[in-house]
Amino acid sequence: DTGVSQDPRHKITKRGQNVTFRCDPISEHNRLYWYRQTLGQGPEFLTYFQNEAQLEKSRLLSDRFSAERPKGSFSTLEIQRTEQGDSAMYLCASSYEEALGYGYTFGSGTRLTVV
Amino acid sequence: GQNIDQPTEMTATEGAIVQINCTYQTSGFNGLFWYQQHAGEAPTFLSYNVLDGLEEKGRFSSFLSRSKGYSYLLLKELQMKDSASYLCAVKVSGTYKYIFGTGTRLKVLA
Repeated sequence: DTGVSQDPRHKITKRGQNVTFRCDPISEHNRLYWYRQTLGQGPEFLTYFQNEAQLEKSRLLSDRFSAERPKGSFSTLEIQRTEQGDSAMYLCASSYEEALGYGYTFGSGTRLTVV
Repeated sequence: GQNIDQPTEMTATEGAIVQINCTYQTSGFNGLFWYQQHAGEAPTFLSYNVLDGLEEKGRFSSFLSRSKGYSYLLLKELQMKDSASYLCAVKVSGTYKYIFGTGTRLKVLA
């Protein structure tokens, strides 16, 4: 298993453009999370999928953000009409069973720069 | 509100022992996690505590006191490669999210 894969690794976009990121979790993991991290801060929760169902979404997210996990495998995160404040590292994580104390496995992230 | 506090920076010497503290105030609690994050890389899972007490994993140990809202990560026999940020995260009960602290940047000096 190659771990959690995220694509692209880096994205530079102009303000107002739409961007989409992809995450491929570890194949046997049914739980998938998106977090955002800015410099000097800890990751901030965005949304959670269990299989294909989006079970929780941060109230901090505006309507410009949307995420999907259509077949319960890979997931996409789309940001519409990007703003400079969206510049951050977007981290995807997956896990199998939290009750046993397994932490997340994070991907390497997609670094977004909005200019 | 949800709040997790950690020291911003710590410095220690190779071979020494260092303790990184974390205090939390959250609306619910369903476990505390520690992650290590090297600069420019993703966080990696270190430890998990849900009951009071000490969990040991090789050179790393983590302690939890739920009544005090307090945890620490203990790193023994420090190595240069331990220079990284250490993130404390709480799983909030009734939700699926984790609240992360801002991290403690540890510098290990030769």
